[in-house]
Amino acid sequence: QQQVKQSPQSLIVQKGGISIINCAYENTAFDYFPWYQQFPGKGPALLIAIRPDVSEKKEGRFTISFNKSAKQFSLHIMDSQPGDSATYFCAAEVGPFSGGYNKLIFGAGTRLAVHP
Amino acid sequence: NAGVTQTPKFRILKIGQSMTLQCTQDMNHNYMYWYRQDPGMGLKLIYYSVGAGITDKGEVPNGYNVSRSTTEDFPLRLELAAPSQTSVYFCASKTQGTNTEAFFGQGTRLTVV
Repeated sequence: QQQVKQSPQSLIVQKGGISIINCAYENTAFDYFPWYQQFPGKGPALLIAIRPDVSEKKEGRFTISFNKSAKQFSLHIMDSQPGDSATYFCAAEVGPFSGGYNKLIFGAGTRLAVHP
Repeated sequence: NAGVTQTPKFRILKIGQSMTLQCTQDMNHNYMYWYRQDPGMGLKLIYYSVGAGITDKGEVPNGYNVSRSTTEDFPLRLELAAPSQTSVYFCASKTQGTNTEAFFGQGTRLTVV
């Protein structure tokens, strides 16, 4: 199965708070899990990504937590700022030695609003 | 650097008309993708290509066709436009292998009336 399930659909956080977005997948052939950020009228842009052999990756205020056994991964945005207001997509890419190698599948997206 | 360029930015089609959405990249990427974005539905993969002459279906290929005659270009063809194809279309490209960033174009907003 190629689906990537993302929740919540929308999220409102106060400035300085923590934003948490969750994703789950079924296909064990997925080998790479990026998060993309999209501002209105723009194409998505890579924010942060993780491989399944790592349980956590942190870049500044953004952290990915990865649970391979549960087939779940999440994005945490610490000290959320109004400038973080955007739509966030989790994604998963099929790894080598699998059918559909490099097929890049996205979740449904989460619209984040950070209020001042 | 231009990156990934999509044309047109906006288009209104009548039911049954045909059109081609253009996508070109100047980063010499092997992999290219076409997605459609519907409200609340995220990005759905239509077709993708791993190199010139090689294409494969994604999640929602019906009603679309693609070709990849060069590394740079990956046009998406709509043969008989239907209202269900009203969406924002994004083209993306990335270099070979996993763990590499996909670069997206600015999108084409298509309305079928």
